[in-house]
Amino acid sequence: DQQVKQNSPSLSVQEGRISILNCDYTNSMFDYFLWYKKYPAEGPTFLISISSIKDKNEDGRFTVFLNKSAKHLSLHIVPSQPGDSAVYFCAASGRSGGSNYKLTFGKGTLLTVNP
Amino acid sequence: GAGVSQSPSNKVTEKGKDVELRCDPISGHTALYWYRQSLGQGLEFLIYFQGNSAPDKSGLPSDRFSAERTGESVSTLTIQRTQQEDSAVYLCASTRGTRGYNEQFFGPGTRLTVL
Repeated sequence: DQQVKQNSPSLSVQEGRISILNCDYTNSMFDYFLWYKKYPAEGPTFLISISSIKDKNEDGRFTVFLNKSAKHLSLHIVPSQPGDSAVYFCAASGRSGGSNYKLTFGKGTLLTVNP
Repeated sequence: GAGVSQSPSNKVTEKGKDVELRCDPISGHTALYWYRQSLGQGLEFLIYFQGNSAPDKSGLPSDRFSAERTGESVSTLTIQRTQQEDSAVYLCASTRGTRGYNEQFFGPGTRLTVL
């Protein structure tokens, strides 16, 4: 049973436009969410995170939105650049319940930004 | 560099052989994690170390898998009697602390292919 779901395996956008990557989760114990970016043959690198006490966190071109009632989060990239082309993983952890160290990952979304 | 390193980067082995995968975390990081990513899947948690102890081994898929950490530094993941379904990218990550909201820094991974 997947607790973190990224239902879109791939997304293609034009340079300069907005990229929106979506993520859904089922475990109500999750209270911290992260986005990682992965290039081929490299490990994932941390991009941005959000705590469940917030509904938005912004860092430059990257904004993460959290809708707790819907158990949904999204990553917005504006404006998208060709260098943003990578696989994006959504991950979640729970501060309570003793599992505040373990990240549960989605399957990832391959973003392609076309020049 | 000061990042997480893993060796080998690629390993091809025959079914039934044992393999050892190595992880060198960032110096001073007390927590260390092993994940694996099978084809088309997200990252799957295997084991977590706090110092040299492994309080959570719940993700190890079978008793053929074991891991140890020494000197609160290097960790080795050992797979005995490898099977074809063990083929995956094995990723190691480390963090300063033990909470999920500490960013996990990932190594580049070891791609294991079992023939």
